[in-house]
Amino acid sequence: NAGVTQTPKFRVLKTGQSMTLLCAQDMNHEYMYWYRQDPGMGLRLIHYSVGEGTTAKGEVPDGYNVSRLKKQNFLLGLESAAPSQTSVYFCASARASLYSNQPQHFGDGTRLSIL
Amino acid sequence: DQQVKQNSPSLSVQEGRISILNCDYTNSMFDYFLWYKKYPAEGPTFLISISSIKDKNEDGRFTVFLNKSAKHLSLHIVPSQPGDSAVYFCAASLTSNSNSGYALNFGKGTSLLVTP
Repeated sequence: NAGVTQTPKFRVLKTGQSMTLLCAQDMNHEYMYWYRQDPGMGLRLIHYSVGEGTTAKGEVPDGYNVSRLKKQNFLLGLESAAPSQTSVYFCASARASLYSNQPQHFGDGTRLSIL
Repeated sequence: DQQVKQNSPSLSVQEGRISILNCDYTNSMFDYFLWYKKYPAEGPTFLISISSIKDKNEDGRFTVFLNKSAKHLSLHIVPSQPGDSAVYFCAASLTSNSNSGYALNFGKGTSLLVTP
């Protein structure tokens, strides 16, 4: 009963390096999201996807790119990491519904430090 | 500008008593509200939700109250248990905008400590 799995759990990068965070869900959810959480802050939406092959910008998209080539996977990329991107990253997924929200299910997060 | 506000960073309650966590929002278009619970080193887990057509929703020990005129909601936990100690996030969204994937706007969270 995996739910939402994020890989890796921890990573340390140097400024300017690139990396990709992987999110996989096994619930056949249509919607997927990437959030970041900084100390003393709530979760802020980076990018989201309402279906395979579609992505859209959230509240804080600068410096990130995403791809959703398969329904179950949502990738978050940092092309040139900056210290301001040090954060905990959470992926979430939700079932699509025309008539109501469905709760988002979250992974356990990726702790990313940029030196 | 933060549209969902949790003005109490922390709350301490004795076991068995009621915990009341508060949340205010500024966007009157929000029509769906959720509470998430988060333990350290884990992702948030969904706790309870309420639609704007209701003013109360109850699930076991957890009740959420919505006051639309005041743009305020609260989460009541009765009775509080030590295992309830966690950070609680309030979130809001728009059901009218399915193209946004019903993206959530989160508050900063309230850390609840339930003492024995």
